Amino acid sequence: NAGVTQTPKFRILKIGQSMTLQCTQDMNHNYMYWYRQDPGMGLKLIYYSVGAGITDKGEVPNGYNVSRSTTEDFPLRLELAAPSQTSVYFCATSPGQANTGELFFGEGSRLTVL
Amino acid sequence: AQSVAQPEDQVNVAEGNPLTVKCTYSVSGNPYLFWYVQYPNRGLQFLLKYITGDNLVKGSYGFEAEFNKSQTSFHLKKPSALVSDSALYFCAVRDSNYGQNFVFGPGTRLSVLP
Repeated sequence: NAGVTQTPKFRILKIGQSMTLQCTQDMNHNYMYWYRQDPGMGLKLIYYSVGAGITDKGEVPNGYNVSRSTTEDFPLRLELAAPSQTSVYFCATSPGQANTGELFFGEGSRLTVL
Repeated sequence: AQSVAQPEDQVNVAEGNPLTVKCTYSVSGNPYLFWYVQYPNRGLQFLLKYITGDNLVKGSYGFEAEFNKSQTSFHLKKPSALVSDSALYFCAVRDSNYGQNFVFGPGTRLSVLP
């Protein structure tokens, strides 16, 4: 079982460049999330989606965009990369029929902006 | 608003000794509490959760946690630590009043010494 798959695993960007982090899941979960992890800060929610066609901002959405055209895919777009976006990004899913379900995480994408 | 505190950045314990990783939380509604573990360069893995019922919950790899409503705590415990338990541990809470967002603590690094 693939679960939650993130690509790329590593990327180096120059300031001002754009890129998309891909996330795909094969668990048929309705809820999908993007988090960023910075040392000593835990995980901060960037965006989330409760189903295809529906997205909403999390705690730290500035500088990012998302879309959810299918249940399986939830890409995260960085339009104008900044050094503050250097982080490890995690995609996660949840069955979501009630807010008691746990999260299932991908392996992460490490992004460095120079 | 929800919040989670993990008062210890680092916990050191000798192999075979009991371990405790502390977590306290703040929510306005009912708390749904979770523990996750992260090994180096990996995504977070679910360990256990408290939703309702028995205050002592058991999870993966011999871990357990005790929900204490009066102290707003959800400490992670294991009777006998293994070197392989060395990792980063995150406590997370979902507030029954606030939909799908998980709030994570900053993490506690557990080192089990042989």
